[in-house]
Amino acid sequence: AQSVTQLGSHVSVSEGALVLLRCNYSSSVPPYLFWYVQYPNQGLQLLLKYTTGATLVKGINGFEAEFKKSETSFHLTKPSAHMSDAAEYFCAVSRSNFGNEKLTFGTGTRLTIIP
Amino acid sequence: DAGVTQSPTHLIKTRGQHVTLRCSPISGHKSVSWYQQVLGQGPQFIFQYYEKEERGRGNFPDRFSARQFPNYSSELNVNALLLGDSALYLCASSHAYQNQETQYFGPGTRLLVL
Repeated sequence: AQSVTQLGSHVSVSEGALVLLRCNYSSSVPPYLFWYVQYPNQGLQLLLKYTTGATLVKGINGFEAEFKKSETSFHLTKPSAHMSDAAEYFCAVSRSNFGNEKLTFGTGTRLTIIP
Repeated sequence: DAGVTQSPTHLIKTRGQHVTLRCSPISGHKSVSWYQQVLGQGPQFIFQYYEKEERGRGNFPDRFSARQFPNYSSELNVNALLLGDSALYLCASSHAYQNQETQYFGPGTRLLVL
């Protein structure tokens, strides 16, 4: 089985401040890890993903995440928040073997940007 | 290029009724997956289809079924609707069915069961 825990259902940061959204995963096999963003009344858009190779992954809109196996974490960061970053963010995990389970999502973190 | 499209955008049904949701994948994508997103929660995996064959199934009752057509579009069917089926239903497409493939999501169909 696999699961994702996102600490903090709501996070508020000031414009220009560091964004840190936390994600911890559980997986019985090496995981594939994803971050998606969801704007109001829209579907999900991929920000970045880790499959193999370099553990620091850069994504769109200035976001990046680091896969830390020892901490079972895949936290999302952005050095300087922008008003347009306000959205819901979901961390997701899938298995690196051909399991029946596909993407398993966390419960999401709503990011608010304070002007 | 057109993204994943879903129809209808909104739907209101009553308990016990049946509903069919439709999805057209990105051109060239052969895999379609369905997810249910209840308000305030993350999406939950329902089905994945690839080349018209079921490649994965989540923990949903048999009231939920799906199929994929030769043009790779897909339908999700839900029978005997319950109030708890009210949710945003998301369709995602990808080139193939392997788990490292990026899934591209449509805008969803919002279903309200009264």
